[in-house]
Amino acid sequence: KAGVTQTPRYLIKTRGQQVTLSCSPISGHRSVSWYQQTPGQGLQFLFEYFSETQRNKGNFPGRFSGRQFSNSRSEMNVSTLELGDSALYLCASSFGRGAGDTQYFGPGTRLTVL
Amino acid sequence: ELKVEQNPLFLSMQEGKNYTIYCNYSTTSDRLYWYRQDPGKSLESLFVLLSNGAVKQEGRLMASLDTKARLSTLHITAAVHDLSATYFCAVDPLLKTSGSRLTFGEGTQLTVNP
Repeated sequence: KAGVTQTPRYLIKTRGQQVTLSCSPISGHRSVSWYQQTPGQGLQFLFEYFSETQRNKGNFPGRFSGRQFSNSRSEMNVSTLELGDSALYLCASSFGRGAGDTQYFGPGTRLTVL
Repeated sequence: ELKVEQNPLFLSMQEGKNYTIYCNYSTTSDRLYWYRQDPGKSLESLFVLLSNGAVKQEGRLMASLDTKARLSTLHITAAVHDLSATYFCAVDPLLKTSGSRLTFGEGTQLTVNP
């Protein structure tokens, strides 16, 4: 069974630009969550999508947005990039939202903002 | 706001020794997860603990959960070099007021020396 895939794996952008990251969950998984990992702040939750609806949102500015498609694939978008947005962005999928639904993480997208 | 604290943050141990990583959290929850991250890699699911007193073991690693004390432990038995990695605990709060699906601890960077 294929794991969570994320594209692209690496991105270099400049301040002010926008970026779109893509995540394909494990087949059959309907919940997709996004996390940001930085050396200073650690792993922080961005948002969660289930059945094309945002179910939870972390404490990030409105420049960070996302969506989920009918095939459960998800995208996240960051507009007006800032230097502090440089991070590893991890996508995780789970079958559902229940207690036993482990989140499986993708390889991540490394975003560098210059 | 849910807080998850791990200690120690850095752990250097010799092969063959035993040690315990602690994970304390600040809110009611009976959903606790342990992940492993190798340098430059994504997160790998290790254990899912879903009830008070839950104990899971895999190889040289054993995880337990005490929901009354809001404490989980990850015990390492007879460490080997292959266990060198960063270990994260993560809590899924029962109440969604924190807006977070998973809140992660800071991570424990484990180095096992020959």
